[in-house]
Amino acid sequence: DADVTQTPRNRITKTGKRIMLECSQTKGHDRMYWYRQDPGLGLRLIYYSFDVKDINKGEISDGYSVSRQAQAKFSLSLESAIPNQTALYFCATSDWRDRPTDTQYFGPGTRLTVL
Amino acid sequence: AQTVTQSQPEMSVQEAETVTLSCTYDTSESDYYLFWYKQPPSRQMILVIRQEAYKQQNATENRFSVNFQKAAKSFSLKISDSQLGDAAMYFCAYRSPPLGANSKLTFGKGITLSVRP
Repeated sequence: DADVTQTPRNRITKTGKRIMLECSQTKGHDRMYWYRQDPGLGLRLIYYSFDVKDINKGEISDGYSVSRQAQAKFSLSLESAIPNQTALYFCATSDWRDRPTDTQYFGPGTRLTVL
Repeated sequence: AQTVTQSQPEMSVQEAETVTLSCTYDTSESDYYLFWYKQPPSRQMILVIRQEAYKQQNATENRFSVNFQKAAKSFSLKISDSQLGDAAMYFCAYRSPPLGANSKLTFGKGITLSVRP
């Protein structure tokens, strides 16, 4: 099932480098999210977007920025990567028509390592 | 703020047996939504089951069912006839209405389930 794709799947970068993680979806959903997963902490929300013109900060947005290029594309950028941004990053989507439950569906994740 | 607690970091079950994974949450709201996600070694987050708080009937999806105790704020997942493919990390998640700024999922820290052949 490739409804939600993330690129790259794995990335190793150095401190101070700019990096972009990309997410694309073919589910036709309007809502998109970025989470990070750290061992022992579950998933935490970084940013979310309810449509192309809507961008909102999540609970841990510092050090990150996002761009919603189209309904199907939502990118996460680390302007100057630091080691504590080493984590597994997930993109997720949901559909406003799935009210009120608004179930979120996740991509395969990107493993990012910052040296 | 809502919190989700999964107090058991690890559990183990014999193949073909039944196992129950626990989850509790803290909220002052009366209407909300609860989810269980599975994360196998492939890292993919897969929706297992969901429950609307306004529904008294417990959700069921094939071998997966929940025991939703609203007054106790408890949402446990029961896996019947466990299979080797059920081995994964399981996350409990909470979402409150409305579909706006509070629409984010709050996750527990997860529980690792191993299945013994």
